[in-house]
Amino acid sequence: SQKIEQNSEALNIQEGKTATLTCNYTNYSPAYLQWYRQDPGRGPVFLLLIRENEKEKRKERLKVTFDTTLKQSLFHITASQPADSATYLCALAVNQAGTALIFGKGTTLSVSS
Amino acid sequence: GAVVSQHPSRVICKSGTSVKIECRSLDFQATTMFWYRQFPKQSLMLMATSNEGSKATYEQGVEKDKFLINHASLTLSTLTVTSAHPEDSSFYICSAMPGREETQYFGPGTRLLVL
Repeated sequence: SQKIEQNSEALNIQEGKTATLTCNYTNYSPAYLQWYRQDPGRGPVFLLLIRENEKEKRKERLKVTFDTTLKQSLFHITASQPADSATYLCALAVNQAGTALIFGKGTTLSVSS
Repeated sequence: GAVVSQHPSRVICKSGTSVKIECRSLDFQATTMFWYRQFPKQSLMLMATSNEGSKATYEQGVEKDKFLINHASLTLSTLTVTSAHPEDSSFYICSAMPGREETQYFGPGTRLLVL
């Protein structure tokens, strides 16, 4: 069966450390993968997109890797801050147009000062 | 850029009534808009895809006669929950895609509570 899993439901880290979130999938062949941030009671906010032929993407303190052999994406936040506390969603685009997104349940990150 | 708004942000209604939710792309034209539903601690589930000027495409298990979608212009899509029941209570989120991008931009969501 097709599955997308974000391994940790919750992750607690101290300010200044690097947060690493995992997204694994089975029986999908995604064209690309996206990461979103969702705050309580709000819609998701787009963060990064990484394509199947890209190994790594960076944006400021964010880094995403994509391993299509392992069927896994890692999302890193370096020098984490309390303001980074939120739920982070990974989403697989299962068609090139990006009109079919499959979301994971998310990992809720808490950064303590 | 790429801002999507939704109205209302929160609505409480009685069982059996209909509720309309609006989704607008504020600074771009969106040929395609999407409607999702999210239950607590669950992932976003796509309900339907709407293209401007044509009928919406509904995902399996979503009743098209219950969830009416209208995409009358390139900046506005509406979702009407007809004859709402308590089990329809959820967080409804729309998204829109600018024409040449592969990214969906999401609205802030509408919390629906049916009593």
